[in-house]
Amino acid sequence: QKEVEQDPGPLSVPEGAIVSLNCTYSNSAFQYFMWYRQYSRKGPELLMYTYSSGNKEDGRFTAQVDKSSKYISLFIRDSQPSDSATYLCAMSVHYKLSFGAGTTVTVRA
Amino acid sequence: NAGVMQNPRHLVRRRGQEARLRCSPMKGHSHVYWYRQLPEEGLKFMVYLQKENIIDESGMPKERFSAEFPKEGPSILRIQQVVRGDSAAYFCASSLITTGEELGNTIYFGEGSWLTVV
Repeated sequence: QKEVEQDPGPLSVPEGAIVSLNCTYSNSAFQYFMWYRQYSRKGPELLMYTYSSGNKEDGRFTAQVDKSSKYISLFIRDSQPSDSATYLCAMSVHYKLSFGAGTTVTVRA
Repeated sequence: NAGVMQNPRHLVRRRGQEARLRCSPMKGHSHVYWYRQLPEEGLKFMVYLQKENIIDESGMPKERFSAEFPKEGPSILRIQQVVRGDSAAYFCASSLITTGEELGNTIYFGEGSWLTVV
């Protein structure tokens, strides 16, 4: 069993739709939870960061962490074609990040 | 550009050759990490270095791979006698801290070095 599980998709949605992404994990010691966006042949770019549990909102993005279920989510509201990318969840106990495989999202104009 | 700088961006090597990938961390960051991204897989931790010290190399293959971060100059990931299975994207990241509530906000990745072994 992988330490972090993420549905690879691909996910295709019309412009303006809500994109829902999630990851599950097995290590209950994880305390840092991140979502990265990665465009093709580019490096991961930090989108959202949550320490420990709870929700966090930043513009069109909402990140949720449910430590009791070992489940994290990212929601993108009013999705735009420019949101088309691969989204990676990452989490860690300290400096060593464990990544999901990434979900490829396409937002259709 | 004050971000994490990696070069070369693309590298082609024949089987048996050596590959050297370089990384300059973000200004002010003293902690450097290397990750490998294989096709259809997530990024995998390889090694964590500080200046002149390897702190954690638990993700490094036992043979042919080595990393350094000298007192002067960039961090280098070296792959000797490359094989086709080494073809991947190699990402460097740096951080300001390694613990504490703000850790996740301080880890930045470079644009990656894409190694192709032919």
